[in-house]
Amino acid sequence: QKEVEQNSGPLSVPEGAIASLNCTYSDRGSQSFFWYRQYSGKSPELIMSIYSNGDKEDGRFTAQLNKASQYVSLLIRDSQPSDSATYLCAVGVLSRDDKIIFGKGTRLHILP
Amino acid sequence: DTGVSQNPRHKITKRGQNVTFRCDPISEHNRLYWYRQTLGQGPEFLTYFQNEAQLEKSRLLSDRFSAERPKGSFSTLEIQRTEQGDSAMYLCASSHSPRQGAREKLFFGSGTQLSVL
Repeated sequence: QKEVEQNSGPLSVPEGAIASLNCTYSDRGSQSFFWYRQYSGKSPELIMSIYSNGDKEDGRFTAQLNKASQYVSLLIRDSQPSDSATYLCAVGVLSRDDKIIFGKGTRLHILP
Repeated sequence: DTGVSQNPRHKITKRGQNVTFRCDPISEHNRLYWYRQTLGQGPEFLTYFQNEAQLEKSRLLSDRFSAERPKGSFSTLEIQRTEQGDSAMYLCASSHSPRQGAREKLFFGSGTQLSVL
């Protein structure tokens, strides 16, 4: 079982709609969870972090964490064409000195 | 410029040659990570440092790969006897982690794109 799993997509969402991205992880001891956005040819950039169960909102982005289900999600409201990118889920694996492990990423395409 | 700096941006080499990449992290960051990324994949963990100490090296890496961070500042990643399968983007990231288990956020450099012919 891979440590961090994501659907590779592509996920196509109409402009203005809500985009929902999902991620599961295998290490129950994981304590920190992140979403990074990566545009084609660029490096990943952090957009959200979450550490406790529940929702965390930042502008149009909402991260959701359910540790019991080992599940993390990212919602993007009012999707814009500029949101088209690959979204990487990353997890801090406590059993390994909090090493940060990434999923393969989900390609998101916002349809104008 | 206070971001993470990587050099060179691009490297083309012939199979069998050795290559070395450099990463200069954000100055106050004590953790430094190396990742490798190929097209359509997420960053794959290679190794990381806490100050000058190398905490872990991926078991997927062969002995041809070595990394150092001699003074806890910049880091180098060397690949010996390069193979075509080594072609990838090599990403460096740094973070400030005051203690084990802290909730660190990674800041990435622009990467070094390696092409092995």
